[in-house]
Amino acid sequence: DARVTQTPRHKVTEMGQEVTMRCQPILGHNTVFWYRQTMMQGLELLAYFRNRAPLDDSGMPKDRFSAEMPDATLATLKIQPSEPRDSAVYFCASGLVPDGQTVRMDTQYFGPGTRLTVL
Amino acid sequence: RKEVEQDPGPFNVPEGATVAFNCTYSNSASQSFFWYRQDCRKEPKLLMSVYSSGNEDGRFTAQLNRASQYISLLIRDSKLSDSATYLCVVNREGATNKLIFGTGTLLAVQP
Repeated sequence: DARVTQTPRHKVTEMGQEVTMRCQPILGHNTVFWYRQTMMQGLELLAYFRNRAPLDDSGMPKDRFSAEMPDATLATLKIQPSEPRDSAVYFCASGLVPDGQTVRMDTQYFGPGTRLTVL
Repeated sequence: RKEVEQDPGPFNVPEGATVAFNCTYSNSASQSFFWYRQDCRKEPKLLMSVYSSGNEDGRFTAQLNRASQYISLLIRDSKLSDSATYLCVVNREGATNKLIFGTGTLLAVQP
């Protein structure tokens, strides 16, 4: 049963520290999404990639957040420096979109999330 | 005003009850709509897509009213295992598609 994996599952850090979250998409999937979930805002899309190229990162605070896909099996989301307001659950999702087709949003598979607490 | 609005609940219902959730969206250009289910401390999972003509999947019925920009989910004969948060989701069409999630409605089915 193929799944999206995320590490770490939990992270507690102090304000100002760098945080790196990792995601391994389902093998063969070519789209990767990063979301953040808080009680107040719900789920928000931060960024997404298709064939490792960033397609949309308009939801991501650019000054401290960065997202990359060093290779097809790894996506990273980095926060530097972290702030208490970054405390949230960060989800990665992946999907498969044939070339030439529009990304379909109902075919995303979510990972278990990274629960981040910044003190 | 949020782009997708839901009643946060909680909805406390007895087993076997019928319960309905509503959701409104503000972007009239939206074309695709979904309901996701999220269990406590778990990831969201697609429950069903919502089609213009309405669609049913077992005990679950989803309806769309484009004129009123309103989506609904009806659960019949509710089970304890239906207890979860139900997220209304709208696809914001554009140069790059984007899913907009509501903050969810919490359902607690009581024995």
